[in-house]
Amino acid sequence: DAGVIQSPRHEVTEMGQEVTLRCKPISGHDYLFWYRQTMMRGLELLIYFNNNVPIDDSGMPEDRFSAKMPNASFSTLKIQPSEPRDSAVYFCASSSLEDPSRTGELFFGEGSRLTVL
Amino acid sequence: GEDVEQSLFLSVREGDSSVINCTYTDSSSTYLYWYKQEPGAGLQLLTYIFSNMDMKQDQRLTVLLNKKDKHLSLRIADTQTGDSAIYFCAEGIRGSYIPTFGRGTSLIVHP
Repeated sequence: DAGVIQSPRHEVTEMGQEVTLRCKPISGHDYLFWYRQTMMRGLELLIYFNNNVPIDDSGMPEDRFSAKMPNASFSTLKIQPSEPRDSAVYFCASSSLEDPSRTGELFFGEGSRLTVL
Repeated sequence: GEDVEQSLFLSVREGDSSVINCTYTDSSSTYLYWYKQEPGAGLQLLTYIFSNMDMKQDQRLTVLLNKKDKHLSLRIADTQTGDSAIYFCAEGIRGSYIPTFGRGTSLIVHP
């Protein structure tokens, strides 16, 4: 498997524009997580899905943020409108309850670095 | 306060041992993890320890767990420049596959 795939790797946009980040989890994984990483706040869990259903979105900072998972192999995180304070690295991760090691290991993508000017 | 706490920076000389410390608050934690994040990359599981263990050794890595004090440490022997990264401590609870991460410790290895 290619691992968790995120796109774009880098995005530079202007304040007010819509941003869509994409994630393809590892095939067969039933949990998908979106994290945001900044110097100020470290790694923050924004939202996670189980079997494509959003379970906990309490980490989503504002209504400007939304996430969807229309099927088991694709998820999006959308920011509309974007603001400079949204600049961060956004990570997608996936995991599986059927993981043979049963350790709950999360597999992370390489991240999408967002810069809002 | 945060559920998982760790210092933000550690600087060591190449060849020395590094010890990264972490404290957690949930006594029902089942797994304690160390993830490594290299520059420009995502986090990757480095090692983990079950809560019923005191120590785990894997080549240059030694994980120590003190359940009484809720303290976890990661020791890297013979630290190399390639070990420069951010190390995240995380705790996981039985029945939940949602780990709680610390803020990460940036390990800087200098010649």
